[in-house]
Amino acid sequence: DIQMTQSPSVLSASVGDRVTLNCKASQNINKYLNWYQQKLGEAPKLLIYNTNNLQTGIPSRFSGSGSGTDYTLTISSLQPEDVATYFCFQHNSWPTFGAGTKLELK
Amino acid sequence: EVQLVESGGGLVQPGASLKLSCVASGFTFSDYWMSWVRQTPGKTMEWIGDIKYDGSYTNYAPSLKNRFTISRDNAKSTLYLQMSNVRSEDTATYYCTSRSYWGQGVMVTVSS
Repeated sequence: DIQMTQSPSVLSASVGDRVTLNCKASQNINKYLNWYQQKLGEAPKLLIYNTNNLQTGIPSRFSGSGSGTDYTLTISSLQPEDVATYFCFQHNSWPTFGAGTKLELK
Repeated sequence: EVQLVESGGGLVQPGASLKLSCVASGFTFSDYWMSWVRQTPGKTMEWIGDIKYDGSYTNYAPSLKNRFTISRDNAKSTLYLQMSNVRSEDTATYYCTSRSYWGQGVMVTVSS
């Protein structure tokens, strides 16, 4: 299986900050990379699919980029409601998730 | 509005069987591949498997293939997960998902 490594595991940032979350695959996943947001006690919500496509209804402050094995989720201006854990997910082969980045307010 | 509502979880003893259901609404269920994912108490996410939109094909995580079975009833817009010979490590929250949309999840606790 493809291993997905997310960094950092915990990120503290202030409202208005530009935030970058990273995800590295153990092999090329051909941009088949999604990002999910999971708030405490809730189901995951799809933010970005196939590296850089914004899911309908998701604010434009979220964006994704990357290729090969390295991918990034960027929040251009952090809002209080963005506090959550963010998972990357590859579906190039048998689907696997990263362990998540917990985003907190400083 | 898309909704996926899981049910059937609870406390079960090791070695028992359990069947989870997921009722879909707000989209044409029969057009979509559907999947089950579980999240452990430590928050690790594991893909359990998929079923094709017409139910003709299923795919499972190798470690679960012999104990878990995914099925669907398109007439009822319902997805199922049959779990057999459950173990303590099956304790998790189970989600049904179309990949774009997820249910709220149902907890399964395996303990004597």
